[in-house]
Amino acid sequence: GAGVSQSPSNKVTEKGKDVELRCDPISGHTALYWYRQRLGQGLEFLIYFQGNSAPDKSGLPSDRFSAERTGESVSTLTIQRTQQEDSAVYLCASSPKVGSAYSYNEQFFGPGTRLTVL
Amino acid sequence: AQTVTQSQPEMSVQEAETVTLSCTYDTSESDYYLFWYKQPPSRQMILVIRQEAYKQQNATENRFSVNFQKAAKSFSLKISDSQLGDAAMYFCAYTGANSKLTFGKGITLSVRP
Repeated sequence: GAGVSQSPSNKVTEKGKDVELRCDPISGHTALYWYRQRLGQGLEFLIYFQGNSAPDKSGLPSDRFSAERTGESVSTLTIQRTQQEDSAVYLCASSPKVGSAYSYNEQFFGPGTRLTVL
Repeated sequence: AQTVTQSQPEMSVQEAETVTLSCTYDTSESDYYLFWYKQPPSRQMILVIRQEAYKQQNATENRFSVNFQKAAKSFSLKISDSQLGDAAMYFCAYTGANSKLTFGKGITLSVRP
């Protein structure tokens, strides 16, 4: 079956412009995560959605960052007034459900969107 | 907060030989999971192996095995019979009760033919 897909694959924008990044999770996966990966670094958690529960936004670096998800389907990550430090790869992952301390549900990653802010 | 440390930025191994990648972590939780992910140039994150903290037995997946030392908070990955296709970035990661993955900075592994 199809995996997690993300679009666009690459995005080049000018400083100050807004960008939208899209993630299509695996069908039936209720949990969806966004991560940021700066050059040569590990992934930083940004936000996650679980079904109809309020999202965990604790990783969003500033109020310029926001994300939405419609039900258990597509999610968009929006960055307003982009800055050069926003340049990174943005990775999305989905999972059958959110795990707990006593169980874990594997996160399946998409190929990411490489964002370059000039 | 949990932290994951990978102190070696790069390693190199001869094809067919064995290499060990190091990882340490810090947490106050007693139940958690540890992972090694592989990221080739395609950017796709691939789960290599996982370890449940409550299991004493070290996880093994074919040529990949871990040395999990819970008291020392150490979680190293051993790759046996290294292959050219093993060349990639490898990330150690942690998850606990909040289900969020915390990653180390990664290590670039090169394989010499």
